[in-house]
Amino acid sequence: DTEVTQTPKHLVMGMTNKKSLKCEQHMGHRAMYWYKQKAKKPPELMFVYSYEKLSINESVPSRFSPECPNSSLLNLHLHALQPEDSALYLCASSQRGREAGGDTQYFGPGTRLTVL
Amino acid sequence: KNQVEQSPQSLIILEGKNCTLQCNYTVSPFSNLRWYKQDTGRGPVSLTIMTFSENTKSNGRYTATLDADTKQSSLHITASQLSDSASYICVVSERKNTGFQKLVFGTGTRLLVSP
Repeated sequence: DTEVTQTPKHLVMGMTNKKSLKCEQHMGHRAMYWYKQKAKKPPELMFVYSYEKLSINESVPSRFSPECPNSSLLNLHLHALQPEDSALYLCASSQRGREAGGDTQYFGPGTRLTVL
Repeated sequence: KNQVEQSPQSLIILEGKNCTLQCNYTVSPFSNLRWYKQDTGRGPVSLTIMTFSENTKSNGRYTATLDADTKQSSLHITASQLSDSASYICVVSERKNTGFQKLVFGTGTRLLVSP
């Protein structure tokens, strides 16, 4: 199984809603990532988890809250988002954590988020 | 500033023809370079990965080259198919002090293969 799955595929939410994005991989990878991608732009790194611990937070606003319940799952909790947060949210995983080099990141299909 | 620039921004070719996409980078220290294919609304899929010592890497009809001296890479697509229509993203890994390799993404080349 070389797949990263993400749910939901599409999400529409109001600015006062609370929602969560989910990501799952069963490749035994120990590093997982959240990216945000606006249309026609490259992905922007948001968070990195390594061995289930938050390793990198790229100065992301607190209205985005990541969580890594176990080595296979990664969540992104959303609260009080703004319309400009509408984007494709990509999850990725790679084999090893922060101490390794040369890992290929495997991306999920993404969640298309629209904030009204 | 670490940057990855790609050209052309967009490209239209006829089915069956070949094409070459370019990538120039200023990322330092360099770790490796990847080419990803991204269909619209989908996550990127890795095509090739090359380290400093590798000059060329093939994956089916895709052949990537790397010149680490000039900091240039190219992706050559042979005998294009309609399914090759996508964005092709050049991604360079930057080695950081923490050991984590941050990816620096290019803005991509949008390829359209026309019948």
